[in-house]
Amino acid sequence: DIQMTQSPSSLSASVGDRVTITCRASQRISTYLNWYQHKPGKAPKLLIFDASTLQGGVSSRFSGSGSGTDFTLTISNLHPEDCATYYCQQSYSILFTFGPGTKVNIK
Amino acid sequence: EVQLVESGGGLVQPGGSLRLSCAASEFIFSTFWMSWVRQAPGKGLEWVANINHDGGESYYVESVKGRFTISRDNTMNSLYLQLSNLRAEDTAVYYCARISSDYSSIPGLNYYNYYGMDVWGQGTTVTVSS
Repeated sequence: DIQMTQSPSSLSASVGDRVTITCRASQRISTYLNWYQHKPGKAPKLLIFDASTLQGGVSSRFSGSGSGTDFTLTISNLHPEDCATYYCQQSYSILFTFGPGTKVNIK
Repeated sequence: EVQLVESGGGLVQPGGSLRLSCAASEFIFSTFWMSWVRQAPGKGLEWVANINHDGGESYYVESVKGRFTISRDNTMNSLYLQLSNLRAEDTAVYYCARISSDYSSIPGLNYYNYYGMDVWGQGTTVTVSS
């Protein structure tokens, strides 16, 4: 199975900051990489699919990049409502796998 | 509004069984692959199972193989997850989700591209405890 890792596991940033989360796959997955935002008590929300395509209705402050094994999610101009846990997930294999998550806190 | 609504969660003893349901509305359910994802208390998201659009193919995370069964009824716009031989570590919120995909065909090869889970339910809680 394809293993996913993320770094950092958590971060604290100020409103207006630019935040970058990295995700690495244990094998090459082309651009079959998706990013989700998950807040407690809510359903996860798809932010970006195919590594860099913004899901409809998602703020353009979110962007993704990468291919192969290394990917990044960037949140520009951090807002208070961005406080959440962010997960990467590979869909190269039908045996989906998620990264362990990155918790984003607001200072 | 495109919607998924889960039901069927509850408290069950170790070794017991439970059937989760997910009702879909406002989209053509029969044309989508579907998924179950869970989150144990204090843990991250874990993919559990996928099923293709007509129910003919299913895939599972290793830890639930032989114990969980994903199925669907396209006439009822419903997805199911039968949980059997439950363990304490199966305690989690279970989400159903719609998989965005497309189909590609090149000479000698037909395959699906999967683009993430774009619609999610609110989740149903399963607690395995004596």
